[in-house]
Amino acid sequence: ETGVTQTPRHLVMGMTNKKSLKCEQHLGHNAMYWYKQSAKKPLELMFVYSLEERVENNSVPSRFSPECPNSSHLFLHLHTLQPEDSALYLCASSQDYGVGGVYGYTFGSGTRLTVV
Amino acid sequence: AQTVTQSQPEMSVQEAETVTLSCTYDTSENNYYLFWYKQPPSRQMILVIRQEAYKQQNATENRFSVNFQKAAKSFSLKISDSQLGDTAMYFCAFINAGNNRKLIWGLGTSLAVNP
Repeated sequence: ETGVTQTPRHLVMGMTNKKSLKCEQHLGHNAMYWYKQSAKKPLELMFVYSLEERVENNSVPSRFSPECPNSSHLFLHLHTLQPEDSALYLCASSQDYGVGGVYGYTFGSGTRLTVV
Repeated sequence: AQTVTQSQPEMSVQEAETVTLSCTYDTSENNYYLFWYKQPPSRQMILVIRQEAYKQQNATENRFSVNFQKAAKSFSLKISDSQLGDTAMYFCAFINAGNNRKLIWGLGTSLAVNP
């Protein structure tokens, strides 16, 4: 049990498909994050939720739509993706958004997304 | 601009030996926190060690220790008695203690521990 669980582990989807990535944490953390990890690039922060409210949206295209129904669950809804969206999508959590980040994040194992 | 530079894309070390991974960073803030994360083939990013910039004493966690040089903005990671399970990507990152609390990441160093 890693504390942050992501499903599915792998996902292959066509450009016209709609799919969702799921993340859940059982650590009692109040902040959750979506990151995109691509080869030869630093990790890119996509979205931040604090107490189920979106607090950051870092210029992410609208084809990515996050949802946080409660403090334990985070989704990333995908539609009309492009091949360049193929990457590893990592979910993370921290105790709090403001202070908690300085103690480090807990990450899941990611979803490897391939857009064909 | 806030940046993290890891100048060694790939490194290798023999089992039981010591290896040092380098990291330099740039920030205009005086109070911040530095991290080394490990990402093994399982893909989960794991926090290895954390350093508070206002503390002069270098952080240690078992076989992992850092050499923090604040004036030089350098934060290297030393792994002693390397084990096969240390094979992973290692990422250096920092976060400011002020309002802009966004983790800034390096590109990573791929470390291979050879038997």
